[in-house]
Amino acid sequence: AQSVTQLDSQVPVFEEAPVELRCNYSSSVSVYLFWYVQYPNQGLQLLLKYLSGSTLVKGINGFEAEFNKSQTSFHLRKPSVHISDTAEYFCAVSRGSNYKLTFGKGTLLTVNP
Amino acid sequence: GAGVSQTPSNKVTEKGKYVELRCDPISGHTALYWYRQSLGQGPEFLIYFQGTGAADDSGLPNDRFFAVRPEGSVSTLKIQRTERGDSAVYLCASTAGTNTGELFFGEGSRLTVL
Repeated sequence: AQSVTQLDSQVPVFEEAPVELRCNYSSSVSVYLFWYVQYPNQGLQLLLKYLSGSTLVKGINGFEAEFNKSQTSFHLRKPSVHISDTAEYFCAVSRGSNYKLTFGKGTLLTVNP
Repeated sequence: GAGVSQTPSNKVTEKGKYVELRCDPISGHTALYWYRQSLGQGPEFLIYFQGTGAADDSGLPNDRFFAVRPEGSVSTLKIQRTERGDSAVYLCASTAGTNTGELFFGEGSRLTVL
């Protein structure tokens, strides 16, 4: 079985500041890794994914994440956030291509002016 | 519309009643998933269909929960004898089944059991 831990339930930052949302996972087998974003009153939307290849992946809206196998981490970063980035962010893992995802509990990112 | 459509968006029912939640996936998507998101939690997997058959229903919490996808498109999640603990947002997602790594989620059906 796999599990996902998002270390921060809430992250408040000021506009134009950098941000890192932390995600650690546990699994006895290779996994695929994802970050999803949920804006208020909207469905979950894929931000970025790691399936294989380069460990640094770039997603939409200027976000990127780095897969670190030795630390079993997949932290999400953005160098300069905007008010519009305010949302809940979910880290998720799956084994293989059936995309049966295991999600973390989410991190609420609040960007203040 | 082009996205995953879920109805109803909100459902309030009384304890013990029967509820059906509907999901209309993106046209042509062969795989369909149901997840449940309780307050303050991430989504939890319930069941996954590949075509008409349930490929994995290991996440269904008990036999009060059942889902069907008779023609390989629209799916219905059925909950019998609802309990207050069933209150949650039920999410549906679909994917084309190719190695794209992306699930497309609907906006969810919020179920409240009084």
